[in-house]
Amino acid sequence: EDQVTQSPEALRLQEGESSSLNCSYTVSGLRGLFWYRQDPGKGPEFLFTLYSAGEEKEKERLKATLTKKESFLHFTAPKPEDSATYLCAVHSGGGADGLTFGKGTHLIIQP
Amino acid sequence: AAGVIQSPRHLIKEKRETATLKCYPIPRHDTVYWYQQGPGQDPQFLISFYEKMQSDKGSIPDRFSAQQFSDYHSELNMSSLELGDSALYFCASSLGTPGGAYEQYFGPGTRLTVT
Repeated sequence: EDQVTQSPEALRLQEGESSSLNCSYTVSGLRGLFWYRQDPGKGPEFLFTLYSAGEEKEKERLKATLTKKESFLHFTAPKPEDSATYLCAVHSGGGADGLTFGKGTHLIIQP
Repeated sequence: AAGVIQSPRHLIKEKRETATLKCYPIPRHDTVYWYQQGPGQDPQFLISFYEKMQSDKGSIPDRFSAQQFSDYHSELNMSSLELGDSALYFCASSLGTPGGAYEQYFGPGTRLTVT
């Protein structure tokens, strides 16, 4: 059974204080690992897809990396508008369509 | 850019009633997914459709059914509603064949409250 564990559950940072979120996964053949941002009461917003170990992707203040066992979402000099819940999800090689999500990290960036 | 559209956005039903949720995928997307997200929980996969055929099934109760129509929109039908069905229901869409790791784009969700 696919498992996704995110840490920490919650993180409070000062504006400009860089940090990383962790996503550890156990899957039967990883087809893709996805990062989403979710604001309260809204749908998950797609951020990144990573397909193979060693892959990195960047967008504005965010950088996502992937190893064979985990992924990191790094925030460089975050701003208050980056406050949200960040969800990690995996698509395994078992032929299933649905994503398996982690519980998310609730990130708060204080001005 | 066009996004996934869901209707209604909010729905209040009583126990044992039925509900129908609608999803309009991003234009040209051929795969639709339904997820359920309870309070404080992560989204749980329910069911998916590719080219109007059921593609995969997750933790969908037998009281729920869904279909994808010729214009690719999808409907999730929920019967004999229970209090525990209260949740956010998301539809997502992607372009590509089932089993491929294609990005799934989520809609704004339908908040279902069962009283």
